[in-house]
Amino acid sequence: DQQVKQNSPSLSVQEGRISILNCDYTNSMFDYFLWYKKYPAEGPTFLISISSIKDKNEDGRFTVFLNKSAKHLSLHIVPSQPGDSAVYFCAASPLLRGGADGLTFGKGTHLIIQP
Amino acid sequence: GAGVSQSPRYKVAKRGQDVALRCDPISGHVSLFWYQQALGQGPEFLTYFQNEAQLDKSGLPSDRFFAERPEGSVSTLKIQRTQQEDSAVYLCASTVTRGAGGYTFGSGTRLTVV
Repeated sequence: DQQVKQNSPSLSVQEGRISILNCDYTNSMFDYFLWYKKYPAEGPTFLISISSIKDKNEDGRFTVFLNKSAKHLSLHIVPSQPGDSAVYFCAASPLLRGGADGLTFGKGTHLIIQP
Repeated sequence: GAGVSQSPRYKVAKRGQDVALRCDPISGHVSLFWYQQALGQGPEFLTYFQNEAQLDKSGLPSDRFFAERPEGSVSTLKIQRTQQEDSAVYLCASTVTRGAGGYTFGSGTRLTVV
């Protein structure tokens, strides 16, 4: 049973527009969420994180929103650039509760930025 | 080094062969993780070390999988009697300490069992 779900395997967005990647989770113990970006033949690269005590975290062009009641988070990229084309993984952990240290990942969304 | 280094980058093993995958974390990083990523899937947690202590090995899929970090730096993931379902990318990640934001991943070892 997938505890972290990314229901869109791929997403195509025009350069300059907003990219919105979605993630849902089922485990109520998760309280720390991360987004990773992955290029082919490379390891995932950390982008941005958010803890459950916040509902928004912003870093440059990247903003993550957390809706705890809906168990949903989203990553907004604005404006989208060609270099943003990659696979994006959502990950979660029960970190603040002192839970397991391993991250639970979704299956990823392949973002394609079209010129 | 500047990043997490994994070797070899690619490994082809015959079914039944033993393999050893190496991870060299960032110097000073206390926490080290191993993940398995099958084709089209997200990484799945295998095991976690804090220094030389293996604190969580709940994700290891069978007793054919064994990991060690004897001196609290370099780690080795060993898979005995490899099977075709072991084919995946094996990722290593490290971080300064537990909970210190995002973990730094290596580029992974792609294992193909034939």
